[in-house]
Amino acid sequence: DTEVTQTPKHLVMGMTNKKSLKCEQHMGHRAMYWYKQKAKKPPELMFVYSYEKLSINESVPSRFSPECPNSSLLNLHLHALQPEDSALYLCASSRGRDTGELFFGEGSRLTVL
Amino acid sequence: GENVEQHPSTLSVQEGDSAVIKCTYSDSASNYFPWYKQELGKRPQLIIDIRSNVGEKKDQRIAVTLNKTAKHFSLHITETQPEDSAVYFCAASIKGNTGKLIFGQGTTLQVKP
Repeated sequence: DTEVTQTPKHLVMGMTNKKSLKCEQHMGHRAMYWYKQKAKKPPELMFVYSYEKLSINESVPSRFSPECPNSSLLNLHLHALQPEDSALYLCASSRGRDTGELFFGEGSRLTVL
Repeated sequence: GENVEQHPSTLSVQEGDSAVIKCTYSDSASNYFPWYKQELGKRPQLIIDIRSNVGEKKDQRIAVTLNKTAKHFSLHITETQPEDSAVYFCAASIKGNTGKLIFGQGTTLQVKP
């Protein structure tokens, strides 16, 4: 299995809603990432987890809350988002932080109304 | 701060021609340089990568060259095909092995049949 699976593929939420994005990989990778991508722009790093511990938070607003329940799962909890948070949220994994290739999921396309 | 500049932003070639995309990075500690291809509505996928101890790497029609002194690296695609049409992102690792990649702004490559 060389896939990173993300759910849901599409999400529409209001500014007062609470929702979560989920990501799963079964490649035994020990580093997992959340990226945000706006249309026609490169992915922007949000968070890095290494061995289930948060190692990088790129000064992301607290309305985005990551969680890594185990080595295969990564969640992104969303609360009180703004319309400008609408974007494609990409999860990725790699064998380790320093071992190269990122495997990206297909992404969750989020629209905040 | 650290950044990666990528040129050109758009590139149009005839099928069978070569395409070259160039990137410049700022962090002298960068040691990993991947290239990602992203087709419309799809996830970024690694097409080739190079580490700082290597000057050139080739995989069939794709090659990457690295000039550490000048902090430049380039993607070369030969014998282009319409299915090569996509957005290409270069990236560079930051501060060695933190897991953080900085992406270039992307190049939209169009291969005309």
